Amino acid sequence: EIVVTQSPATLSVSPGERATLSCRASQSVSSSLAWYQQKPGQAPRLLIYGASTRATGIPARFSGSGSGTEFTLTISSLQSEDFAVYYCQQYNNWPPFTFGPGTKVDI
Amino acid sequence: QVQLVESGGGVVQPGRSLRLSCAASGFTFSGYGMHWVRQAPGKGLEWVALMWNDGSKQYYADSVKGRFTISRDNSKNTLYLQMDTLRAEDTAVYYCARGLYDSSGYLFHYWGQGTLVTVSS
Repeated sequence: EIVVTQSPATLSVSPGERATLSCRASQSVSSSLAWYQQKPGQAPRLLIYGASTRATGIPARFSGSGSGTEFTLTISSLQSEDFAVYYCQQYNNWPPFTFGPGTKVDI
Repeated sequence: QVQLVESGGGVVQPGRSLRLSCAASGFTFSGYGMHWVRQAPGKGLEWVALMWNDGSKQYYADSVKGRFTISRDNSKNTLYLQMDTLRAEDTAVYYCARGLYDSSGYLFHYWGQGTLVTVSS
């Protein structure tokens, strides 16, 4: 099973600042990595897949990069609605499909 | 637009069974693999099960294998999760999700709002 880790666990930023979230896989997943955003009481929402492709309707301030075992989600200028928990998920070696433990982005 | 609506959650005693349903609309249900993903209170996301679009294959997380059964009725646009021999650690919000196959596997494109299952005596 591929283990996915994320850092930091919590990221405190101010509106308008840049946020950089990291995701690491225990072995190469090529570019088969997705990012999700989850707000309290809501279902997760797909942001990025294929490591760098934005899902439909996702603002351009969200960008993903990386391949192999190291990945990054960048939010270029944080808006108030971006404060949430972010999860990465690998889908290269399955089952199981595995998620990271999440990074909480707060003010 | 794509809609996924889960139902069937509730409080159940350990060792008992429960069946969840997920009603799909806004897309051709028979064209997509479908998943169940769960989230224990205050915890992260855990993939539970996948069924291919035609029902020909199913995959399970080790934590539920042999106890949970995923199924679907494409004539009713509905996904199911039969949960038997429930344990306290199965307590979670259960989401159904429409799969998106990309290069080598599935990610979770659209999600329902979830249904809460609480296993407690």
